Amino acid sequence: DVKVTQSSRYLVKRTGEKVFLECVQDMDHENMFWYRQDPGLGLRLIYFSYDVKMKEKGDIPEGYSVSREKKERFSLILESASTNQTSMYLCASSFETRTEAFFGQGTRLTVV
Amino acid sequence: AQSVSQHNHHVILSEAASLELGCNYSYGGTVNLFWYVQYPGQHLQLLLKYFSGDPLVKGIKGFEAEFIKSKFSFNLRKPSVQWSDTAEYFCAVNPNTGFQKLVFGTGTRLLVSP
Repeated sequence: DVKVTQSSRYLVKRTGEKVFLECVQDMDHENMFWYRQDPGLGLRLIYFSYDVKMKEKGDIPEGYSVSREKKERFSLILESASTNQTSMYLCASSFETRTEAFFGQGTRLTVV
Repeated sequence: AQSVSQHNHHVILSEAASLELGCNYSYGGTVNLFWYVQYPGQHLQLLLKYFSGDPLVKGIKGFEAEFIKSKFSFNLRKPSVQWSDTAEYFCAVNPNTGFQKLVFGTGTRLLVSP
């Protein structure tokens, strides 16, 4: 079974803090993704990575950065957290183009 | 802008009723299509997918979807829903532009009353 593990289920951070969300997959997948999920907006792609140290911006990259130093780990960084970044963050991975993506349980981040 | 549209945001059905959830996309060319489901408190999981071949695809738990290329649609159906189908359903499209970039619709919340 593919497992995508996000380090935290719930996080509360203060405005202006630097926040790290970690994601690890155990299936040697090339592709990894970060989405945010908001009611009525569905899932919106923040960043994705198709290889170690490679990254591409998604649809809403502003205020975020990512790091992929190892194949199994993909980190999302909020450089200076703001209240409008309060959301559910979902990590996903996939083997290659044309295959399904597997999702983690999500991290519910609240910025106060 | 290119997008994925799910027109039903909330659907309420009684058990045994039939279900059809609409999904339309605006990407040209060859696309890969998916339906994902998110049960309360659980992670997103794949219901079914279409890459090529028979446009009627069958997924888990009795769900099926039909790809109609001329209508840019990939509607999800189930002949008889159960209370356990209460969940949020997401249509997703991979526009096949080189990287696997899944674009999701806004989701449909289905509530099935017993």
